[in-house]
Amino acid sequence: DQQVKQNSPSLSVQEGRISILNCDYTNSMFDYFLWYKKYPAEGPTFLISISSIKDKNEDGRFTVFLNKSAKHLSLHIVPSQPGDSAVYFCAASERSNYQLIWGAGTKLIIKP
Amino acid sequence: ETGVTQTPRHLVMGMTNKKSLKCEQHLGHNAMYWYKQSAKKPLELMFVYNFKEQTENNSVPSRFSPECPNSSHLFLHLHTLQPEDSALYLCASASGGAMEQFFGPGTRLTVL
Repeated sequence: DQQVKQNSPSLSVQEGRISILNCDYTNSMFDYFLWYKKYPAEGPTFLISISSIKDKNEDGRFTVFLNKSAKHLSLHIVPSQPGDSAVYFCAASERSNYQLIWGAGTKLIIKP
Repeated sequence: ETGVTQTPRHLVMGMTNKKSLKCEQHLGHNAMYWYKQSAKKPLELMFVYNFKEQTENNSVPSRFSPECPNSSHLFLHLHTLQPEDSALYLCASASGGAMEQFFGPGTRLTVL
């Protein structure tokens, strides 16, 4: 059973608007969460992370929100740009073991 | 070279062949990982090395054999693979105590 789920395989957003990518997890022991972006023919690149002691972390156009009670996190990208078109992966971990558990990814398409 | 490099980028092999994938990291990290990514599935952790010592083997079939001669290099030796082993194989590295992993571009493996 998947411990990290990204239920939307794809998402299409108009350039300049907000993109919201969602991720759900089942393991209440997870205490660190990361988002990665992946372009075709490249490996995933780290985007932003959040510790379970916070509920929000912001880095430029990217903000990650964590709702521990709902076991849900989301990545907001605003404004969305054409270069944001990629597959976005959510990953979670217990800090004690340094292993990342991954979602299946959401393909984000930014329309001009 | 910077970051994490992987060779070859593409590999086609028959089920009776023996081949090796190579990963090299230029980041001074002490942990290295092998992942398998199949289409539309989460990344699956295969092996973890910390300071050249294997710390995880996630029930990977013995036809996959890792080797870590030093903390900068990681190999994945392949023999008698099956067509279902066709996938993108990703190498990653991380600094001790850090959750963020840095990925190479991957090797696209096709087993005929």
